[in-house]
Amino acid sequence: DVKVTQSSRYLVKRTGEKVFLECVQDMDHENMFWYRQDPGLGLRLIYFSYDVKMKEKGDIPEGYSVSREKKERFSLILESASTNQTSMYLCASSLAGLYEKLFFGSGTQLSVL
Amino acid sequence: RKEVEQDPGPFNVPEGATVAFNCTYSNSASQSFFWYRQDCRKEPKLLMSVYSSGNEDGRFTAQLNRASQYISLLIRDSKLSDSATYLCVVNLPYNTDKLIFGTGTRLQVFP
Repeated sequence: DVKVTQSSRYLVKRTGEKVFLECVQDMDHENMFWYRQDPGLGLRLIYFSYDVKMKEKGDIPEGYSVSREKKERFSLILESASTNQTSMYLCASSLAGLYEKLFFGSGTQLSVL
Repeated sequence: RKEVEQDPGPFNVPEGATVAFNCTYSNSASQSFFWYRQDCRKEPKLLMSVYSSGNEDGRFTAQLNRASQYISLLIRDSKLSDSATYLCVVNLPYNTDKLIFGTGTRLQVFP
């Protein structure tokens, strides 16, 4: 079974802090994604990556950056956390060529106070 | 207009009932369509793809209507375990590695 692991289930940070969300997948997937999920807005793509050291902006990249130094790990960075970044963050991975079958991690509920 | 729209529900149905959800999409060039299921406080999981000719997986039937730009999901003989939020997902045209998620339709099956 594919396993996508996110480092924290719940996280509380203060405004202005730098926040790191880590995601690791164990199935050698090429594609990795970061989404945020908010009530009434659904899942929105923040960043994605097709390969190591490669990244592409999604629909809402402002205020975020990412890092993919190894194939299995995709990190989301909030440079200076703000209250409007309070959300559920979901990491996902998929095989190249099988993009529609996303495997999600269990999510990180981030609260920025 | 949203790219993908769904009735948020909730749809409250008794066990054994048949229930159907629709989802409309705005871009007529969209090529691929999917249904994901998300249990309460859990991550989304792929339920099924939607093919042009319609497709079935056990009690679940998915259909596509390109002329009216909607997809549907029909669940027959509902089980308590079907209670979840069903997310409609559409690919972005010309970029097959990015998916647009609807906000979901919540289904609650009661005994």
